[in-house]
Amino acid sequence: DTAVSQTPKYLVTQMGNDKSIKCEQNLGHDTMYWYKQDSKKFLKIMFSYNNKELIINETVPNRFSPKSPDKAHLNLHINSLELGDSAVYFCASTRGGPNTGELFFGEGSRLTVL
Amino acid sequence: GENVEQHPSTLSVQEGDSAVIKCTYSDSASNYFPWYKQELGKRPQLIIDIRSNVGEKKDQRIAVTLNKTAKHFSLHITETQPEDSAVYFCAASANTGGFKTIFGAGTRLFVKA
Repeated sequence: DTAVSQTPKYLVTQMGNDKSIKCEQNLGHDTMYWYKQDSKKFLKIMFSYNNKELIINETVPNRFSPKSPDKAHLNLHINSLELGDSAVYFCASTRGGPNTGELFFGEGSRLTVL
Repeated sequence: GENVEQHPSTLSVQEGDSAVIKCTYSDSASNYFPWYKQELGKRPQLIIDIRSNVGEKKDQRIAVTLNKTAKHFSLHITETQPEDSAVYFCAASANTGGFKTIFGAGTRLFVKA
């Protein structure tokens, strides 16, 4: 059973389009996150959600809108895609807050904007 | 803001040698320090972690040390093997203030057979 699953794994799209990435965790964790990993492998936090409430929004453009319908799901919608949005997006979860233990990552969604 | 610095960015060692990666953090509220290994095309996975009330922790060939006063922590891998080749990330977490895990920039480790 996959602990944190995200779809799709690959996304190739044109500039200006809108796209969504879905994430689900079956671990019963309270907190979910979106991280962006750029071409230099830097892992940058984008959003933190605790029990489906937004906790952290790290100076991410308004074009990025997360949605958490329940604490097991955290989706990411991106409007008006730009070249600089090309990256691997990782969904992750922790049991409680960030310092409660391991961050469980999904497999990543590689977004390529042409 | 909160920051985690990691050195070196690239490390090349001969199989059997030791590898050491060092990190410093800025947020005094940080109290959990995990290390993640990311193989090419894969997700980051936890290899070892340490909490702020502990100075050292060991798990087989890997060990982590923490100096809370100096805000330094390090990863030590002994008897390196080719399968240790990957990108390693240190991180610092706090529940207060930022409520997030901040990652270092990563160290690309090459173990030459």
